[in-house]
Amino acid sequence: NAGVTQTPKFQVLKTGQSMTLQCAQDMNHNSMYWYRQDPGMGLRLIYYSASEGTTDKGEVPNGYNVSRLNKREFSLRLESAAPSQTSVYFCASTPAGQANTEAFFGQGTRLTVV
Amino acid sequence: GENVEQHPSTLSVQEGDSAVIKCTYSDSASNYFPWYKQELGKRPQLIIDIRSNVGEKKDQRIAVTLNKTAKHFSLHITETQPEDSAVYFCAAKGFFAGNMLTFGGGTRLMVKP
Repeated sequence: NAGVTQTPKFQVLKTGQSMTLQCAQDMNHNSMYWYRQDPGMGLRLIYYSASEGTTDKGEVPNGYNVSRLNKREFSLRLESAAPSQTSVYFCASTPAGQANTEAFFGQGTRLTVV
Repeated sequence: GENVEQHPSTLSVQEGDSAVIKCTYSDSASNYFPWYKQELGKRPQLIIDIRSNVGEKKDQRIAVTLNKTAKHFSLHITETQPEDSAVYFCAAKGFFAGNMLTFGGGTRLMVKP
């Protein structure tokens, strides 16, 4: 049982390049989330998916797109990376059918845009 | 939407002292309040949570209190140890599945031996 797995762990991009961050969970969770964490700041929600087939914008969605590929996988895409998107990205998931329970986080992806 | 504010942003205590971190939230419909600990370079991990039907919860050296009328909740760590040094985040969440967790800005706790 791996929990929430993110790939890659580290990435350096040039301004304007695109990339996709992958996230998969093996806990049969319904809801999945993408957060970004900037230095000295808290976690800000980018997008979330309440269930398979649905996605919604969070607090800071501009410059990102997401895909809920199936129940297990939720990817985050940067179409044209900008230095302002340099951050640590965390994927998280919460259990099916229970609104108020623990969120499990992946190990994070440290992205640098130069 | 929900807004969560957390204070202080940094906290330094001597080993053995107590530490208190406070959060306020704006949405009266929020009814789940977890606390996460994040060690340097690692993922946030849940340390304790409280639901709106209780006012206090304790787990060994950590406790959380909730005042729904005032819309604030606090984390209390007693007998602090160096391994308690980390960033702590509070969060608030509404009732419905998919209602996202809204996090506070974090508190960097430093426990000096």
